[in-house]
Amino acid sequence: EVQLLESGGGLVQPGGSLRLSCAASGFTFNSHAMSWVRQAPGKGLEWVSGISGSGGRTDYADSVKGRFTISRDNAKSTLYLQMNSLRVEDTAVYYCAKDPGGQYELLLQPFDSWGQGTLVTVSS
Amino acid sequence: DIQMTQSPSSLSASVGDRVTITCRASQYISSYLNWYQQKPGKAPNLLIYAASNLHGGVPSRFSGSGSGTDFTLTLSSLQPEDFATYYCQQSYNTPRTFGQGTKVEIK
Repeated sequence: EVQLLESGGGLVQPGGSLRLSCAASGFTFNSHAMSWVRQAPGKGLEWVSGISGSGGRTDYADSVKGRFTISRDNAKSTLYLQMNSLRVEDTAVYYCAKDPGGQYELLLQPFDSWGQGTLVTVSS
Repeated sequence: DIQMTQSPSSLSASVGDRVTITCRASQYISSYLNWYQQKPGKAPNLLIYAASNLHGGVPSRFSGSGSGTDFTLTLSSLQPEDFATYYCQQSYNTPRTFGQGTKVEIK
């Protein structure tokens, strides 16, 4: 059974930094692209960033480009999101999500499994 | 970015009703359209991918259709566990954008 468990969320001041983690199990982690998707309180879903299974390809939404960095440690089956220069509008639940494939490329696929999410609150 | 527009934004329906939700893309996306269900406080779950393919374990009362720019999600007979918010998403181009959601409530 696929399991994705996010951690690292919390309260941070504007301009601060936070690193999210997503521990994966139940599948061959390095064979699948992974993404972060966020949801502001009471709002819809926004894809934030994606990374191929090998880690060689990354992609970002314009809203976070230059501030967030996605990475993965395939030996630990863990996905990360380093968030710097945080803004109030980054406040959201952050989900990690798995692609059906994408070992070497960032294929444009649906997200077939999701974690339970971790809340990031940016406020002074 | 490709904009996805869902209608209606919300609807009220009764158990046993047939429900249809539409999703329109701002440009051509072939059949690269996915549907998700999200219940309050929970993560989204994939229902349908590539416009009309049922994801594993999803009941057959869910169906999807469409191609190009116009798509529909149909629930043939609404069940109590189907009351939730539904999102469409395009996977034709990056960023993979979502519709704003359709909340299905109990009448």
